[in-house]
Amino acid sequence: DTEVTQTPKHLVMGMTNKKSLKCEQHMGHRAMYWYKQKAKKPPELMFVYSYEKLSINESVPSRFSPECPNSSLLNLHLHALQPEDSALYLCASSQDITIQNIQYFGAGTRLSVL
Amino acid sequence: SQQGEEDPQALSIQEGENATMNCSYKTSINNLQWYRQNSGRGLVHLILIRSNEREKHSGRLRVTLDTSKKSSSLLITASRAADTASYFCATDLDNFGNEKLTFGTGTRLTIIP
Repeated sequence: DTEVTQTPKHLVMGMTNKKSLKCEQHMGHRAMYWYKQKAKKPPELMFVYSYEKLSINESVPSRFSPECPNSSLLNLHLHALQPEDSALYLCASSQDITIQNIQYFGAGTRLSVL
Repeated sequence: SQQGEEDPQALSIQEGENATMNCSYKTSINNLQWYRQNSGRGLVHLILIRSNEREKHSGRLRVTLDTSKKSSSLLITASRAADTASYFCATDLDNFGNEKLTFGTGTRLTIIP
């Protein structure tokens, strides 16, 4: 099983809402990632978790709050987002944080902030 | 801190033809990967080439790497409609030498049946 599952597929939220994106993998991978992708642009790294600990935060605004409850799950909590945060949010996992490892991506959550 | 610039930005070819995409990057790398993304979906890894390799094949894919020119190319032979997607190169180091997967600008490939 090389699947990374992301829920929900689509999310519409107002600027005062609190919502969460979820990501799950059962490949035994110990590194998990959140990326943000705007239309017709490449994915941009947001956060990296290694062995359930936050390893990299790419200076992401605090209205995005990641959480890794266990080795299979990764959440992204959203609060007080801005319309410019509308994008495709991609989760990925890899065997570990070693950069040569292939990353496996989920299908993404398309987020619209009104 | 985007590393790779890809060209062309968009490419349309007839089914059965070959498609070539190019990626140029700025700093030294240890390896370079190519990923495919179908419209609005996640990315799928295609191939990884190490800095000491010059060419690699996988099925209908051929990747070359020229570290002296800091460039790579992806060739898809005998294209099919299902190859319609965006293709991204990704380096293992960003412009500042930090280890992270850094994607190029991407090439949108359209295969015309």
